[in-house]
Amino acid sequence: GAGVSQSPSNKVTEKGKDVELRCDPISGHTALYWYRQSLGQGLEFLIYFQGNSAPDKSGLPSDRFSAERTGGSVSTLTIQRTQQEDSAVYLCASSLLRGAGELPTQYFGPGTRLTVL
Amino acid sequence: AQSVTQLGSHVSVSEGALVLLRCNYSSSVPPYLFWYVQYPNQGLQLLLKYTTGATLVKGINGFEAEFKKSETSFHLTKPSAHMSDAAEYFCAVITRMDSSYKLIFGSGTRLLVRP
Repeated sequence: GAGVSQSPSNKVTEKGKDVELRCDPISGHTALYWYRQSLGQGLEFLIYFQGNSAPDKSGLPSDRFSAERTGGSVSTLTIQRTQQEDSAVYLCASSLLRGAGELPTQYFGPGTRLTVL
Repeated sequence: AQSVTQLGSHVSVSEGALVLLRCNYSSSVPPYLFWYVQYPNQGLQLLLKYTTGATLVKGINGFEAEFKKSETSFHLTKPSAHMSDAAEYFCAVITRMDSSYKLIFGSGTRLLVRP
C-alpha cells in the first residue's frame, strides 16, 4: 500500500511567480491536511479538507495561498506571487474519517521543499 | 488556545543512555497528545499517541510517554538510545473541541546520539 505522495519533491522559483504543489493521499482517506515547516515558524497548520464539507482554511497565512481537492482525492496547494518568506517545506497528511471513540492517525508525505529566490 | 512547549531544541545523549525529551501542553480541555519523529529529508512518522485511558503510552522503536495531567506534561522516554534514534522529535496536541483535528506542534527537539 502506497503512502502519501507529494510532488515535486523540490521546487525552486523566482519571487513573484505562482507555484502549485500536489498531494496524493492514501487511498480511502477522506481527510487531508496541509502543513508548512519553516525555520522561523516551525510546523504550522494551513488547511483541512474532509469529504464534501467546507474546508477549514483558518491556517492560510494570506490570500495568496489557496488549495483545492478534486474528487475527494488529490489536492493542490497554490501559492500566487511567491515571496521569499514562503520558502519552506510543505507537508501533506491524510487520515481516515474519525470513527466512534477512535482518533484517526494522520499519515504524512515526504514534503515539497519550496525555495523562493 | 492550545499550545505545546518543548524544552530544549537540542538534546545529546550517549548510545545506550536514557533518552528524555520534554513536552508541556496548554489546553483548556483534556487534549489528545502525540509524538512524531522526523528523519532527515523525510515526512513525519507517528511514534505514539494519547487519547484516553492508560496514561503510560507505548510506541514504536521502544519509546514511551506518560500523560501527567497535574503537570500538563507528556514527556517522551526511551531506556537505551540507539544511533538510529538520531532525528527530530515533535510533540503535538489536538483539542477535542476542534472538529478539524488539526495538529498543533511544538518547536521540535533534535536528538543527537553520540557513539
